[in-house]
Amino acid sequence: DVKVTQSSRYLVKRTGEKVFLECVQDMDHENMFWYRQDPGLGLRLIYFSYDVKMKEKGDIPEGYSVSREKKERFSLILESASTNQTSMYLCASSLRQSTDTQYFGPGTRLTVL
Amino acid sequence: AQTVTQSQPEMSVQEAETVTLSCTYDTSENNYYLFWYKQPPSRQMILVIRQEAYKQQNATENRFSVNFQKAAKSFSLKISDSQLGDTAMYFCAFILTDSWGKLQFGAGTQVVVTP
Repeated sequence: DVKVTQSSRYLVKRTGEKVFLECVQDMDHENMFWYRQDPGLGLRLIYFSYDVKMKEKGDIPEGYSVSREKKERFSLILESASTNQTSMYLCASSLRQSTDTQYFGPGTRLTVL
Repeated sequence: AQTVTQSQPEMSVQEAETVTLSCTYDTSENNYYLFWYKQPPSRQMILVIRQEAYKQQNATENRFSVNFQKAAKSFSLKISDSQLGDTAMYFCAFILTDSWGKLQFGAGTQVVVTP
């Protein structure tokens, strides 16, 4: 079974703090993704990566950056957290092709005060 | 831009009954895939079923089946013999074949199965 893990289930940060969300997958997947999930909006893609050190912007990249130094790990960074970044963040990975099934982590509920 | 619409925010169904969730999408492209994902209260999103647009036959997975109407751009999910464990948020998702993995999700439908 594919396993995607995220570093925290719940996180509370203050406005202006730098926040790191980490995601690890154990199935040698090439593609990794970060989404945010908000009620009534479904999931929206923030960034994705199709190879180590490669990254592409998704639909809502503003205020976020990412890092992928190793194949199994994909980090989402909030350089200066703001209250409108309070959300559920989901990481996903897929094998190789653009249409391969994406496997999701359990999510991180981030609250920015 | 592609959009995915789920018009039912919440649906309730009794155990052993059948429920159908609607999903429509908008695209001018021909080559794409469609998915239904399930997110139970524990939050881990899992794949329920997937459908390739070039396949006319509707996909099935145990008690889950889809009704794919390409011309109408409709992709509904039917859950038969509903079980309490089917209580979850269900998301319809769409991806173009050449889109670098950019899944487009609908807003979701909350399904509540009652005893």
